[in-house]
Amino acid sequence: EAQVTQNPRYLITVTGKKLTVTCSQNMNHEYMSWYRQDPGLGLRQIYYSMNVEVTDKGDVPEGYKVSRKEKRNFPLILESPSPNQTSLYFCASSFGTGELFFGEGSRLTVL
Amino acid sequence: GQQVMQIPQYQHVQEGEDFTTYCNSSTTLSNIQWYKQRPGGHPVFLIQLVKSGEVKKQKRLTFQFGEAKKNSSLHITATQTTDVGTYFCAGTGGYQKVTFGIGTKLQVIP
Repeated sequence: EAQVTQNPRYLITVTGKKLTVTCSQNMNHEYMSWYRQDPGLGLRQIYYSMNVEVTDKGDVPEGYKVSRKEKRNFPLILESPSPNQTSLYFCASSFGTGELFFGEGSRLTVL
Repeated sequence: GQQVMQIPQYQHVQEGEDFTTYCNSSTTLSNIQWYKQRPGGHPVFLIQLVKSGEVKKQKRLTFQFGEAKKNSSLHITATQTTDVGTYFCAGTGGYQKVTFGIGTKLQVIP
């Protein structure tokens, strides 16, 4: 089954404790991206990747890092999480600029 | 940078009424996509428009892409309770950057 898998789905953590949200897709998509969704602000792009070893900043990259060492994986790293990073995060992938397939979402709370 | 404005942010309609949401980009787009997100779910692709002036239909949904490729609309005829959710447009601009609109949350009153 074609899918984008994110883990963890839910996480409560404390300020400053490094965490990684994993994202994996099994569709051989070149393009992968991360979004955060906040009430009244819609979906805002954090980082995107056009292919392996190619990443670029989206609209709200501050406080986040990504890597794309393999085509299928695109982890989102929060080196020192802060409460303003409490949000719902979505990973998505696609062939080029085509249909985006979204993961189920990861709800992160930073205390 | 590229911005995509979407209105309205919220819409309540009586079941059977029509609904329209509009998107307007600050730059010319190479394509625009529409997504639907049910409450508690993730965005799901509805359609992609590529050509200037393109109109596509999916049953009761009609999608339009403006002549200048800067605006788009989604129109739902005779809404049903199954149409409830948030509808997002997403425009692809330079460097294949995808920008989402803020979304329109549709409530359908039975």
